[in-house]
Amino acid sequence: GQNIDQPTEMTATEGAIVQINCTYQTSGFNGLFWYQQHAGEAPTFLSYNVLDGLEEKGRFSSFLSRSKGYSYLLLKELQMKDSASYLCAVRDVQAGTALIFGKGTTLSVSS
Amino acid sequence: DVKVTQSSRYLVKRTGEKVFLECVQDMDHENMFWYRQDPGLGLRLIYFSYDVKMKEKGDIPEGYSVSREKKERFSLILESASTNQTSMYLCASRNRGGVLTFGAGSRLTVL
Repeated sequence: GQNIDQPTEMTATEGAIVQINCTYQTSGFNGLFWYQQHAGEAPTFLSYNVLDGLEEKGRFSSFLSRSKGYSYLLLKELQMKDSASYLCAVRDVQAGTALIFGKGTTLSVSS
Repeated sequence: DVKVTQSSRYLVKRTGEKVFLECVQDMDHENMFWYRQDPGLGLRLIYFSYDVKMKEKGDIPEGYSVSREKKERFSLILESASTNQTSMYLCASRNRGGVLTFGAGSRLTVL
């Protein structure tokens, strides 16, 4: 089976940097995705990692270590609009092409 | 822009009613998915489809069925709605890179 863990809630202030961790256990890992979901809206794609290392995309970066079953999403220069839930999702070949999602981390950014 | 459209944003149904949730994508994607999202439980996979007339059970298929008669349309059916099926239902379509695009969601309340 699969297991994905991420913190339930985090808080930070505008302009700061925050790191959201995700650990996973799967039998057939084939990629890790991060999605952002604002309250009442659909999740939107942020990043994808399949090889070890850091992927940078503007203020957001995502890191993967396959040997440790670990990823993080790094958000820099936080803005109020970054207040949202951040979902870690793993593609497992044992589960076909579907993504298995963690429960999400709700980030609150205050001024 | 990629688009996934869910027919109903909000529905209220009574216990025992048959419920159809429709989802249409305009990207010619082969893979489509139905998830439900509940507080504290995150996104859970109900059913997915690789192609027309193909379907696979996800993690929580009980009480649901699906239909994929045309490539662009993937329907979720609740044969006899129950109160524990009150939830947010999210349809998604997957591109060749593995990225899911979600619809806006259908919030179903079963009384």
